[in-house]
Amino acid sequence: TQLLEQSPQFLSIQEGENLTVYCNSSSVFSSLQWYRQEPGEGPVLLVTVVTGGEVKKLKRLTFQFGDARKDSSLHITAAQTGDTGLYLCAGSIAGKSTFGDGTTLTVKP
Amino acid sequence: KAGVTQTPRYLIKTRGQQVTLSCSPISGHRSVSWYQQTPGQGLQFLFEYFSETQRNKGNFPGRFSGRQFSNSRSEMNVSTLELGDSALYLCASSWGRTVGAYEQYFGPGTRLTVT
Repeated sequence: TQLLEQSPQFLSIQEGENLTVYCNSSSVFSSLQWYRQEPGEGPVLLVTVVTGGEVKKLKRLTFQFGDARKDSSLHITAAQTGDTGLYLCAGSIAGKSTFGDGTTLTVKP
Repeated sequence: KAGVTQTPRYLIKTRGQQVTLSCSPISGHRSVSWYQQTPGQGLQFLFEYFSETQRNKGNFPGRFSGRQFSNSRSEMNVSTLELGDSALYLCASSWGRTVGAYEQYFGPGTRLTVT
């Protein structure tokens, strides 16, 4: 059983469009992290959300942590080709790190 | 500040051999975690070391082992390699104040191919 479910698994959009990806769990997390990974490289930390209901903005990226701290979303406004990559959410349960399977985003010019 | 470094970047081994991968964390970080990433299984947690002690372990067989040195550098060893061990092995470092994932900084990974 996957502790963190990400959706959609794949997303292909045109440059300039908006999109939202989701990270859901039945477990409560003390914090959630979002990472972006490009092929052949390690994931790069984008943000950490800690407080239920928290919203964080990073330029065109908006991250939200659910009130119950079981889910999170990432919204990208006016996507650019440079946003292409694998987006991963991660959390910790009983001290063990767990990652979702990720959303592969392709932004076409 | 220098990032997490991993060596080697690429490695080809044959079944039955053993391999050692190395990771140097960000200066000041005391926690090092190792992950295996494959297309079918995604990112799977192997183990975490903090101050030279294994603090947590994932569900991998005993062929996978690791250690951490006093300077926080870490090594991971896989013995009796199997074809299914082919993967990208990622090392991540963090301050370690909180057990498990908090904010981790990943290296570029070692791509291991077992033939």
